[in-house]
Amino acid sequence: AQSVTQLGSHVSVSEGALVLLRCNYSSSVPPYLFWYVQYPNQGLQLLLKYTSAATLVKGINGFEAEFKKSETSFHLTKPSAHMSDAAEYFCAVKRGGNKLTFGTGTQLKVEL
Amino acid sequence: DGGITQSPKYLFRKEGQNVTLSCEQNLNHDAMYWYRQDPGQGLRLIYYSQIVNDFQKGDIAEGYSVSREKKESFPLTVTSAQKNPTAFYLCASGSRQGTEAFFGQGTRLTVV
Repeated sequence: AQSVTQLGSHVSVSEGALVLLRCNYSSSVPPYLFWYVQYPNQGLQLLLKYTSAATLVKGINGFEAEFKKSETSFHLTKPSAHMSDAAEYFCAVKRGGNKLTFGTGTQLKVEL
Repeated sequence: DGGITQSPKYLFRKEGQNVTLSCEQNLNHDAMYWYRQDPGQGLRLIYYSQIVNDFQKGDIAEGYSVSREKKESFPLTVTSAQKNPTAFYLCASGSRQGTEAFFGQGTRLTVV
């Protein structure tokens, strides 16, 4: 069965610093992978998705993620953090239809 | 604007009462989903529907019921059999051709 593991439930960075949020997947078939962002008391917004095309995927708000099959990873990065990036981030893998299995989330804090 | 509307945003109920959460979409999507979110656990799939008049149990369906009488609507009833109903509930939809799910803004249910 497909699953994802997010390492680090809380990540703190300084404004302007690199953001790195980690996600490892487990899948018996080539996976479709997603990163979603959630602001407090809001729904989830799609940041980016990997669908077996380019391994480096660019998303909204300056985020990108690289699919690495050898490492079974799909880490999310942003070169320079902004205060508005503070939110919870979820990695997810598609399983049958559009059903998703989510990781447990990473809360990103951005400090001045 | 096209999107998914969940109502109400906040809901309070007494223990032992059934409560129904509304989810409406005007994206013309065939598939609709209900997820439950608890702190530190990510999102878990409750029920999903791939087509009108058909729905399937997800990973945590016990204590919940749904209906899909119209393509646009997928209400979720939290019954008194659900032992721990207080949570944030998210509705999503997706097309058969697409790869990602689109989310509503959520309903926060508190049972006292």
